[in-house]
Amino acid sequence: GAGVSQSPRYKVAKRGQDVALRCDPISGHVSLFWYQQALGQGPEFLTYFQNEAQLDKSGLPSDRFFAERPEGSVSTLKIQRTQQEDSAVYLCASSAELGRSYEQYFGPGTRLTVT
Amino acid sequence: GDSVTQMEGPVTLSEEAFLTINCTYTATGYPSLFWYVQYPGEGLQLLLKATKADDKGSNKGFEATYRKETTSFHLEKGSVQVSDSAVYFCALADSWGKFQFGAGTQVVVTP
Repeated sequence: GAGVSQSPRYKVAKRGQDVALRCDPISGHVSLFWYQQALGQGPEFLTYFQNEAQLDKSGLPSDRFFAERPEGSVSTLKIQRTQQEDSAVYLCASSAELGRSYEQYFGPGTRLTVT
Repeated sequence: GDSVTQMEGPVTLSEEAFLTINCTYTATGYPSLFWYVQYPGEGLQLLLKATKADDKGSNKGFEATYRKETTSFHLEKGSVQVSDSAVYFCALADSWGKFQFGAGTQVVVTP
């Protein structure tokens, strides 16, 4: 079956531009998570949703970062006025339910480079 | 807050050698523990998991036991292959399913 997909896979943005990263979770998965992975590091939590409700956004680095999941399926992570420190791989993951026993299924990531 | 610490890499081994990657954690409550693997050019994949103390997760010859007394979840494999070359991430999930990852350990297996 289809896994988690993300688009675009690669994005180059000039400093100051706005970008939008899309995540299509596994169909029927209730929970959706966004992570930021810097080179040589593990994924760092950004935010997560249960259906359309954003339950925790404590990991978003600044108010330039915004995430939504309006219909409880596809999610978009938006970064306004990009800065060089935003360069990273952005990972999306989904899980069937919310809870510690449920594994997360990861997408391939979007590699963002800010020049 | 919750955190995961794993041994730094790269770990370089010969084929058929024994592999251990140490992972320790700090957490409030009773987390679940996971090992994810990232092969070159691919996304993160679940390797194994354990949801309570003394549980052993196993998959593809890899094993890890959830040790509450030592707050550890070390990954082991008895005989590695070249195809096991990858980056391995230890992670914990809190009661909400929010993951905290370690920094990753690169493993290089040579023929």
